[in-house]
Amino acid sequence: AQSVTQPDIHITVSEGASLELRCNYSYGATPYLFWYVQSPGQGLQLLLKYFSGDTLVQGIKGFEAEFKRSQSSFNLRKPSVHWSDAAEYFCAVGARNSGYALNFGKGTSLLVTP
Amino acid sequence: DSGVTQTPKHLITATGQRVTLRCSPRSGDLSVYWYQQSLDQGLQFLIQYYNGEERAKGNILERFSAQQFPDLHSELNLSSLELGDSALYFCASGRDNQPQHFGDGTRLSIL
Repeated sequence: AQSVTQPDIHITVSEGASLELRCNYSYGATPYLFWYVQSPGQGLQLLLKYFSGDTLVQGIKGFEAEFKRSQSSFNLRKPSVHWSDAAEYFCAVGARNSGYALNFGKGTSLLVTP
Repeated sequence: DSGVTQTPKHLITATGQRVTLRCSPRSGDLSVYWYQQSLDQGLQFLIQYYNGEERAKGNILERFSAQQFPDLHSELNLSSLELGDSALYFCASGRDNQPQHFGDGTRLSIL
């Protein structure tokens, strides 16, 4: 069965510290991988995507993610977190054989402390 | 601004009622996707339309239906509403193998 797992429900980091949010997927088809961010009361904003090619992808707001096929992972990273990064982060997977509909992880809530 | 417009932003109604949620996709996008976000189920894909035709179906209840019109806007109809249908409903639009862009959602509260 297709699934997306974000193992960490909550993460707390200090402002200026580095961040890594984990995402693992189980998909039969070649997946398209995404990270979205949701601020309270807001919609979902795309941070970055991976379709093919270079496995290290750069996104907006200084985020990057690395696709590791052997580990079925697509972890999100940021070298230095800002207080404004506090939000809910969702990993999502789509595939051509499902009309590119997205299967989302449960999300990771990021808290940034001073 | 994602370019995807959802109306209304908030909807409050009672059990047993029927509501219609509306979505206007980004210019040029042929696909519209509907998602439900609730505390217990998270973000779940409901249904996708592509250029007026249903293309993919997810965890959509039989009480729910959707359609996409010739001008590509879409409506999600929810009937015989139950308390558990209270959720945030998102519409997203996109083009094949391109990222979906999400609207701000409609928050549905069932009293």
